[in-house]
Formats: sequence, C-alpha cells, structure tokens
Amino acid sequence: DSGVTQTPKHLITATGQRVTLRCSPRSGDLSVYWYQQSLDQGLQFLIQYYNGEERAKGNILERFSAQQFPDLHSELNLSSLELGDSALYFCASSDPVGRNYNEQFFGPGTRLTVL
Amino acid sequence: DAKTTQPPSMDCAEGRAANLPCNHSTISGNEYVYWYRQIHSQGPQYIIHGLKNNETNEMASLIITEDRKSSTLILPHATLRDTAVYYCIVRDYYGGATNKLIFGTGTLLAVQP
Repeated sequence: DSGVTQTPKHLITATGQRVTLRCSPRSGDLSVYWYQQSLDQGLQFLIQYYNGEERAKGNILERFSAQQFPDLHSELNLSSLELGDSALYFCASSDPVGRNYNEQFFGPGTRLTVL
Repeated sequence: DAKTTQPPSMDCAEGRAANLPCNHSTISGNEYVYWYRQIHSQGPQYIIHGLKNNETNEMASLIITEDRKSSTLILPHATLRDTAVYYCIVRDYYGGATNKLIFGTGTLLAVQP
C-alpha cells in the first residue's frame, strides 16, 4: 500500500459526458502528479501540482483539467469524453523535502471506460 | 531528459538472478538513472536510482557502467511476484521545476516457475 488513494476504482460512462477522478496523496506529500495509461500510448505524464499550484504540464488535452485543494487532495476533471479517453488514470505523490525526495508513490488507479 | 532503450521482454527462472539492461547513451552529467516497475495494471512502484556508483537496496541492485551510457538492474533471486514491466528512466535528480516521470515502453520480465 503506497498510501495514495484514488476514487473511484472503476468508472463507466458514455461519450460526451464529464467525470471527476479524485486523489488523496500520502500524508505530508505536497506534490501530486497525474498519469494516463492507455493501450496505445503507454504511461504518459499529464500534469503536476505542488502545494496547490500547477507546476508542470505534459500531454494533457484541453478537455482535461485538474486542481489541488488546500488539504492537498487533487481532482482530475475529464469532459466531452471520447472513446479514446478510456484508460487507467494514476495519481502519484512525492515529498519535496524528505529523504525520499525523488520517489513517486503511485495510487492504485482509476479505470475509466467510455462507451 | 535522455532517451532510454530496453528490450521489450525477458524471461527468468524463479530463484535465479534477473538482469535487466538499459541503454542511455545520451545521458548527461547531471542525470540520474531511475527504475520503476509495474505489476499488471497496478500503480508503478519505485525500485532504485543512481548517478554513477553502483547502488543496492532491499529490492535490487543497480550497476551503472563507468561511461554511464548503460545500466543493469539486478533482482538477485527472482520470484513469481517479480513478474512485471520494468521501466528505466533518466532525468535530472531535482527535475528542474518538476519531478515528472517520462516512461518508455519498458521490459516485460516474465519469471518462470
């Protein structure tokens, strides 16, 4: 158990809909990362937040957005869903000042299926 | 971040050492080598990282060549639970403004009974 929690575990929805994925980082971790893993693209970095502020952006579509709240949990919002958005979405967290500075701890993921 | 090349798949007998190679010929002086693994559809798990000296922890050993252009992850006594995709990643230790990870395609290690 990495200490990172993600909800829901599974999500099935239809094209055109909007969903919200939630992530709670490990206690004390200020950085939260979102990754997408699809069959054809592999594991891709989407976006990072650090203490509430966006720190880095990767291959994140404009239809996707994220935020990190004062209690450090994060949400990834996916809108106007397409079939190709079906994937595993992972959240990871890291501690910027601790001994494991460079280790990212991954959650169990949310499996999104768009029908 | 430097690009890495790994074999797509490898087999290993249970109880034997698994040696997973990684080429990173364009690595720069301030870049570290990281290894993560992903057991079927679970979240990736950090294994080890290093700069130029060999590193060992409770999970594995990391051997980096003197010219730093390649490295080998060693699982000393592979078990069936080590069957996973292993990712070799090269990036700055402090990642600049971010510690994002750029995953390649990795090596699928299949440990055989």
